[in-house]
Amino acid sequence: AQKVTQAQTEISVVEKEDVTLDCVYETRDTTYYLFWYKQPPSGELVFLIRRNSFDEQNEISGRYSWNFQKSTSSFNFTITASQVVDSAVYFCALSESSGYSTLTFGKGTMLLVSP
Amino acid sequence: DAGVTQSPTHLIKTRGQQVTLRCSPKSGHDTVSWYQQALGQGPQFIFQYYEEEERQRGNFPDRFSGHQFPNYSSELNVNALLLGDSALYLCASSLVQGERHNEKLFFGSGTQLSVL
Repeated sequence: AQKVTQAQTEISVVEKEDVTLDCVYETRDTTYYLFWYKQPPSGELVFLIRRNSFDEQNEISGRYSWNFQKSTSSFNFTITASQVVDSAVYFCALSESSGYSTLTFGKGTMLLVSP
Repeated sequence: DAGVTQSPTHLIKTRGQQVTLRCSPKSGHDTVSWYQQALGQGPQFIFQYYEEEERQRGNFPDRFSGHQFPNYSSELNVNALLLGDSALYLCASSLVQGERHNEKLFFGSGTQLSVL
C-alpha cells in the first residue's frame, strides 16, 4: 500500500526566511508520480509540481525548488525568501502508475509566514 | 475558461439524511474524481468517474455513490449521513490522454458539509 508522510504539522517563519517542507513516501511500484499542492484558505487545491519516478533532477521554479531523492524516498519542497502570500497548507501526494490519476495525500503542513 | 466548479459551497444536514453534491469539470476535461477532506487531514480518494462509469473506488462504504452525466459533470450522493461524514468534499477533473492517466488534477473549492 502506498503512503505519504509529512512529519511537520505546522511551520512558522518570518518573511524572507527560507523554509523546507519535508515529504517521505512509500510505494511498491517502480513507476509512480509525486505531486505538491497548495491549499489556501479558500479551500481549492492548487497544483505546484508533478515529478515522475524516473526523473530525479531537482527543479526550480522562481522561489520554489524541489529535491527528489529516490534513495531516501523523499520529495522535499523549499520556498526561498518566503512571503506572506505563501501562507497556506501544503500537501505532498503520490500516484502509482496504475492509479488512474488517483492521489494519496499526506496530512499536510501548514505554513505561516508573518511579516 | 472556467475551472472546476462545485455546488453548493456549504451545506448543513442532520444525521440520517441524504445529500447530493455537484461538480462541473474544467472545460475539456472528461474525468471527475471526488475526495473527502476531514478537518486537519489530507484529502482521501472516494471514487473516480470516466465515460459515465465508476472506474476506481477508494475505501468508502456503499453509502457513498456517484454519477457522471454525458456532459462530464458529476454528482456525489451520500445516504444515511453520519456525524463523521462532516468534511470538505473536493471534486477534481482531469483529461485521459491515451495511456497517460496521471495528468495533474484540477480541484474545485469544495463543498463544506456539516452533519449535526
